[in-house]
Amino acid sequence: QLQLQESGPRLAKPSETLSLFCTVSGGSISSGSYSWGWIRQPPGKGLEWIGSIDHSGSTHYNPSLWSRVTLSVDTSKNQFSLRLSSVTAADGAIYYCAKMGGHSGSWYWDLWGQGALITVSS
Amino acid sequence: SYVLTHPPSVSVAPGKTARITCGGNNIGTKSVHWYQQKPGQAPVLVMIYDNGRPSGIPERFSGSNSGNTATLIITGVEAGDEADYYCQVWDSGCAVFGGGTKLTVL
Repeated sequence: QLQLQESGPRLAKPSETLSLFCTVSGGSISSGSYSWGWIRQPPGKGLEWIGSIDHSGSTHYNPSLWSRVTLSVDTSKNQFSLRLSSVTAADGAIYYCAKMGGHSGSWYWDLWGQGALITVSS
Repeated sequence: SYVLTHPPSVSVAPGKTARITCGGNNIGTKSVHWYQQKPGQAPVLVMIYDNGRPSGIPERFSGSNSGNTATLIITGVEAGDEADYYCQVWDSGCAVFGGGTKLTVL
């Protein structure tokens, strides 16, 4: 049974780059033609899609974040990652990694990590 | 950008039926997915493609989608259903979430 776990520094300084990793356990990240994504949630607020990466490495980003976001997959570590540059206090949120299901044009997230609370502060 | 609109809150007595709406321009032409999120927990997928239940989701959960409104329907509401509920669609290659509805079980 697949499980996801976020890791990485929980504190970032303004203007720095945030790097988060999502380790997939219970199966191979490259099997099943899976796609993966990141969603964030500011404390007390709703969900915001950050971006997605499919099994071929093709990426899709939220237009509001695209200039600062990079997603990648490391099959040797069975993990995928998020890099968010030039962070500000507005980027403080719980960051979730998730597995995508469904079909092209109408995916959903059927498996989520527990979330990582990220604080941006000097 | 595409906007999904939820009522901020819905209240229902135990055993009754809760209807949580998600409004969007011609949302009936899109596939809508729903998530349940309890405090301090990650979201859980409870409805796919308007009215499909993922494995493990009780039959009490159902959905509909037509025109400008999609609806998540929970019959025989239980105390454990109290949570925030979010709808989600894809539009122009982007995932969009509604702002969420807090379901309170009286």
